[in-house]
Amino acid sequence: QSALTQPPSVSGSPGQSVTISCTGTSSDVGSYNRVSWYQQPPGTAPKLVIYEVSNRPSGVPDRFSGSKSGNTASLTISGLQAEDDIDHCCSSYTGSTTLGVFGGGTKLTVL
Amino acid sequence: QLQLQESGPGLVKPSETLSLTCTVSGGSITSSDYYWGWVRQPPGKGLEWIESIYYSGSTYYNPSLKSRVSISVDTSKNQFSLKLSSVTAADTAVYYCARHGGPYNWSGFDHWGQGTLVTVSS
Repeated sequence: QSALTQPPSVSGSPGQSVTISCTGTSSDVGSYNRVSWYQQPPGTAPKLVIYEVSNRPSGVPDRFSGSKSGNTASLTISGLQAEDDIDHCCSSYTGSTTLGVFGGGTKLTVL
Repeated sequence: QLQLQESGPGLVKPSETLSLTCTVSGGSITSSDYYWGWVRQPPGKGLEWIESIYYSGSTYYNPSLKSRVSISVDTSKNQFSLKLSSVTAADTAVYYCARHGGPYNWSGFDHWGQGTLVTVSS
């Protein structure tokens, strides 16, 4: 079970948009529209912000959007706010005995 | 509102067995189509899924940990538990319990416990 690949860090200025990538393989991201994204403030549990590639749970603002192309999924955060300056992580369904796999996480810095 | 809460020792000696329990409140662990799992996060590192269980006992597991992991469910107490044997310093991590869908309704981990830090040290 290999972790999904995310950039260690990305940055953007308040009000701008940033995109975080999540690259898997044809066995996970590429085969299923079951990619999810999480935000994780320091010292707290992850919070689901996107599921099934592009769906937002209730209460998540529409600044958050997701997409997928081939083996790579992306999370785009528009209108960056100071509160977005935290870690973001992806996960994908794998369809095997492992069921799911996580990415290594990306630290978003709001400049 | 569904809540999950981990409990267990915060310090485990090398070679011993780590044991954690997750208590579910605000909902039933026997809810159809949901699995209950354990995820860990070593200090400064990413998330790693460990193993998950359905209330009937069906499980999904991480092959890299399978030989050392045991998961169980107690529907009468609305709890599920994790045992990780032969621990080393590499098993030091924050351990989270979480809920997720099964193979037909996987939508990620939608509810999480607050996490509990387990340190492996003599």
